[in-house]
Amino acid sequence: QVQLQESGPGLVKPSQTLSLTCTVSGTSISSRGSYWSWIRQRPGEGPEWIGYIYYSGGTFYSPSLESRLAISLDTSKNQFSLKLRSVTAADTAVYYCAKGGRTWVAPWGQGTLVTVSS
Amino acid sequence: DIQMTQSPSSLSASVGDRVTITCQASQDINNYLNWYQQKPGKAPKLLIYDASNLQTGVPSRFSGSGFGTDFTFTISRLQPEDIATYYCQQYDNLPMTFGQGTRLEIK
Repeated sequence: QVQLQESGPGLVKPSQTLSLTCTVSGTSISSRGSYWSWIRQRPGEGPEWIGYIYYSGGTFYSPSLESRLAISLDTSKNQFSLKLRSVTAADTAVYYCAKGGRTWVAPWGQGTLVTVSS
Repeated sequence: DIQMTQSPSSLSASVGDRVTITCQASQDINNYLNWYQQKPGKAPKLLIYDASNLQTGVPSRFSGSGFGTDFTFTISRLQPEDIATYYCQQYDNLPMTFGQGTRLEIK
């Protein structure tokens, strides 16, 4: 079955860049028609969809984040990545990667907590 | 962005009870509405897609209905393992957006 696993630093300083990678197993991220998303969840809040990357490399970002955001594919490693620039405390959240993004998202990775603090 | 409003924000029920959660969209979203279950410390899990379709492997006590702006999620007979927070999510317009959640507790 499809499984996803997030990795990256758990602590990022304000104004720096948050970088996370999602490793996918059980399917190829290049599978025709597949979407791959990043989602975050601040403590006590509902999930917030960040953006997706299509199997061919096309992207769609949430308008509230697109000026700071980049999502990319690494097909050789079956991974996709998130970079969020100029972070503040408001970017502190659990970050999830997931399959899908145009309709529903499933399955999700287990999530990784990223704290923005000096 | 389309706003999704769930009610109640929390509820307490007994094992065996019928539980209903509602989700209202700020505009017509057809049936482009999904429901997720999130247990403490875990990622959300898709239960229902397109308002009323049960995801593979999900128990039949879970169901959903609705169209347009008003949607309902039901657990026919509450089980102890159903303790979780439930979220609705729309995908009629990107960005997809989620409700604020309904926290379900056992009485």
